Amino acid sequence: AQTVTQSQPEMSVQEAETVTLSCTYDTSENNYYLFWYKQPPSRQMILVIRQEAYKQQNATENRFSVNFQKAAKSFSLKISDSQLGDTAMYFCASVGYSTLTFGKGTMLLVSP
Amino acid sequence: DGGITQSPKYLFRKEGQNVTLSCEQNLNHDAMYWYRQDPGQGLRLIYYSQIVNDFQKGDIAEGYSVSREKKESFPLTVTSAQKNPTAFYLCASSFGRAYSPLHFGNGTRLTVT
Repeated sequence: AQTVTQSQPEMSVQEAETVTLSCTYDTSENNYYLFWYKQPPSRQMILVIRQEAYKQQNATENRFSVNFQKAAKSFSLKISDSQLGDTAMYFCASVGYSTLTFGKGTMLLVSP
Repeated sequence: DGGITQSPKYLFRKEGQNVTLSCEQNLNHDAMYWYRQDPGQGLRLIYYSQIVNDFQKGDIAEGYSVSREKKESFPLTVTSAQKNPTAFYLCASSFGRAYSPLHFGNGTRLTVT
């Protein structure tokens, strides 16, 4: 069974600053994928970024990037130049053979 | 536009009644999923289906039932056996591969009193 742990229930950051959200996971799969999803106040779940475990290069999507440490089973999300619209719940998730396992989420508040 | 539609957005029921939540997608996705979201609990998988007429239990299937008669549709029934049915329910779909991201509906908030 897979487990995903997000140790920061809440975080806050000021606009234009950089923030890092932590995620650790445990899996017995050899090949797997990791995701970060965002859930703004509208509650619509949106894919932020995806990482393939066999790729050593960290994934990047505009202001969002990950720090993937496979040996440590760590998958943190860095948000650069934070914007008010980044205020949301952020979920880390992993998938091996079939289904996604989600962490409990980190609520990020971006303030002016 | 392609997407995944859940209805209704809010649903109210009396305790002891079964209730069915609708989920329809026109993304031509093979796989569909139901998640339950409670405060502080993240998303927990109820049921999933990777092909028509077949589905599997997730982590918290007790008190729920599903059907997959059409590729586009994956309704969830919350039965009276579910002890704590009040929650936010999210339906999702994907192409069913491990690397395929999930596309989510807007969710249904179910309140049982």
